[in-house]
Amino acid sequence: EVQLVQSGGGLVQPGGSLRLSCEGSGFAFRSFWATWVRQAPGKALEWVANIKQDESDKYYVDSVKGRFTISRENAKNSVYLQMNSLRAEDTAVYYCARKGGSYFGFDVWGQGTMVSVSS
Amino acid sequence: QSALTQPRSVSGSPGQSVTISCTGTTSDVGVYNYVSWYQQHPGTAPKLMIYDVTKRPSGVPDRFSGSKSGNTASLTISGLQADDEADYYCCSYAGGYTFIFGGGTKLTVL
Repeated sequence: EVQLVQSGGGLVQPGGSLRLSCEGSGFAFRSFWATWVRQAPGKALEWVANIKQDESDKYYVDSVKGRFTISRENAKNSVYLQMNSLRAEDTAVYYCARKGGSYFGFDVWGQGTMVSVSS
Repeated sequence: QSALTQPRSVSGSPGQSVTISCTGTTSDVGVYNYVSWYQQHPGTAPKLMIYDVTKRPSGVPDRFSGSKSGNTASLTISGLQADDEADYYCCSYAGGYTFIFGGGTKLTVL
């Protein structure tokens, strides 16, 4: 079965750090772009970051640049999101997703993990 | 960059058709044929329904179709069913390997 399974998340104080993990199975993980998308409570989806298959290129939404880092370990079929200097507005459910191999759509999604930033 | 513009809500009766619009700019929807649509039921992860404006992934019913004209993309759902009631989001490639989502539309099946 093709799937992405997420771990990490939780409650953190403003200014703190958190690392999210996402492990793929059932497909050739190293052949696909990986993506993080978030959704604040009651709000819309927001694209956060992308990483190429070989980790050569990474892209971020402006609001997280310099604070979040996306990375991957293809040997472990995993992608990560290191979140530093967290703010209240980063509170959201974070989803990892796979970008379709030859097309622009996110066709496999993780189950989501909640990140709450509060004192 | 602002989110793509979608109506906050649409509704229809079982068997009817509804169309959800998604308006962007000449920097995203208007210039790239890379619009995708997602269905999200409460408390669950989004599901890809349409990609590259008009294409359906395997397993998505042909009641779902996509189109685009200028800066506006559209998702049409025909033969509405109760299970179609969900939130729908459009997403466009915005260049430089970045993406932008719409504000979401709540579909109510009356």
